[in-house]
Amino acid sequence: GAVVSQHPSRVICKSGTSVKIECRSLDFQATTMFWYRQFPKQSLMLMATSNEGSKATYEQGVEKDKFLINHASLTLSTLTVTSAHPEDSSFYICSASGLFYEQYFGPGTRLTVT
Amino acid sequence: QKEVEQDPGPLSVPEGAIVSLNCTYSNSAFQYFMWYRQYSRKGPELLMYTYSSGNKEDGRFTAQVDKSSKYISLFIRDSQPSDSATYLCAILQGAQKLVFGQGTRLTINP
Repeated sequence: GAVVSQHPSRVICKSGTSVKIECRSLDFQATTMFWYRQFPKQSLMLMATSNEGSKATYEQGVEKDKFLINHASLTLSTLTVTSAHPEDSSFYICSASGLFYEQYFGPGTRLTVT
Repeated sequence: QKEVEQDPGPLSVPEGAIVSLNCTYSNSAFQYFMWYRQYSRKGPELLMYTYSSGNKEDGRFTAQVDKSSKYISLFIRDSQPSDSATYLCAILQGAQKLVFGQGTRLTINP
């Protein structure tokens, strides 16, 4: 149980284009989902918290107009990187909250902006 | 002072050894503690979570929390090469946010 999927697993896009990443909880309903960013050999950096049906809460320093988050249902959250630039290249990981505050993570999406 | 401190390693041990991974935290109000394992280029996998002080065992893994010292540990018995990964401690801050340690890179040598 507690499986979270992400799609796509890897994406390469050109500078200036937008990319959408999907995060799904496959066998449970997740009221809250989280989006993280991870640079090589570093820990996870929380970008935003999204609750189903409401606006996401962004961490300090994260541009909400650049990283659009939509949590339309209890099993799906999406992250759209708008007008991507090379500095947005990173490993993006989502997670979904379980019953006891634990978080279950997706496999991650590697974004490369050329 | 960081909220959660974890030695980044790297830590290298022979197969079969007992591994001890540790984190310290600064806020005595923290109550939920978790350990994640992350293989290269993959998302973190939840290994264990604990609420109170004491030990919690799951197979070869034991999580230990000492709230008086603000110290958490993960022990791996009979370590295997497949245990080679980065191990992250995480502590629940408030109602939802997880605060992660830096992660310890562990290598088990056959």
